[in-house]
Amino acid sequence: NAGVTQTPKFQVLKTGQSMTLQCAQDMNHNSMYWYRQDPGMGLRLIYYSASEGTTDKGEVPNGYNVSRLNKREFSLRLESAAPSQTSVYFCASKRQGDTEAFFGQGTRLTVV
Amino acid sequence: KNQVEQSPQSLIILEGKNCTLQCNYTVSPFSNLRWYKQDTGRGPVSLTIMTFSENTKSNGRYTATLDADTKQSSLHITASQLSDSASYICVVSALGNTGKLIFGQGTTLQVKP
Repeated sequence: NAGVTQTPKFQVLKTGQSMTLQCAQDMNHNSMYWYRQDPGMGLRLIYYSASEGTTDKGEVPNGYNVSRLNKREFSLRLESAAPSQTSVYFCASKRQGDTEAFFGQGTRLTVV
Repeated sequence: KNQVEQSPQSLIILEGKNCTLQCNYTVSPFSNLRWYKQDTGRGPVSLTIMTFSENTKSNGRYTATLDADTKQSSLHITASQLSDSASYICVVSALGNTGKLIFGQGTTLQVKP
């Protein structure tokens, strides 16, 4: 059971570079989420997709874009990375109507 | 504003001892509350769920309580083990919020031998 798979696990970017974080889930969940986790601040929602074909902004969307490619995949793109985007990024998914979120193992991103 | 506050921010205990983590929330209307465990370098994993009608629920050495009147929850860990060292995150769901979850900032627990 793979659950939620994120790639890459680690990444170092230079300021201004772009990259896409990939996320895929094999649990047939409708809803998918991208969070960032910073020390002392907990998990903050960047974007979410309640169902295939829809995406909405979360608490901290600036500097990010997302694509819900299909029901399984939800990617997060940084168009021009900034040091303030240094963080650990988690993708999560859950069944519609349920409240248990299943998380990937995280992507540790450093922007220098 | 929907908020979830946890205390303490961090905690160090000796192996075999008990501890209690606290969670206060202002989420309304309340749907349910989950406690997640996050091991270092991993994503959070749900430990237990508390709904409005439940006061206490146990999962092995973990016991969660909920007081819906005072909007408080606690997670009690009995006879701690080194493997309990992790962050514990309180997450509250509101009714009709299109599936968004409100996260506490977490309590980092370190169990020492």
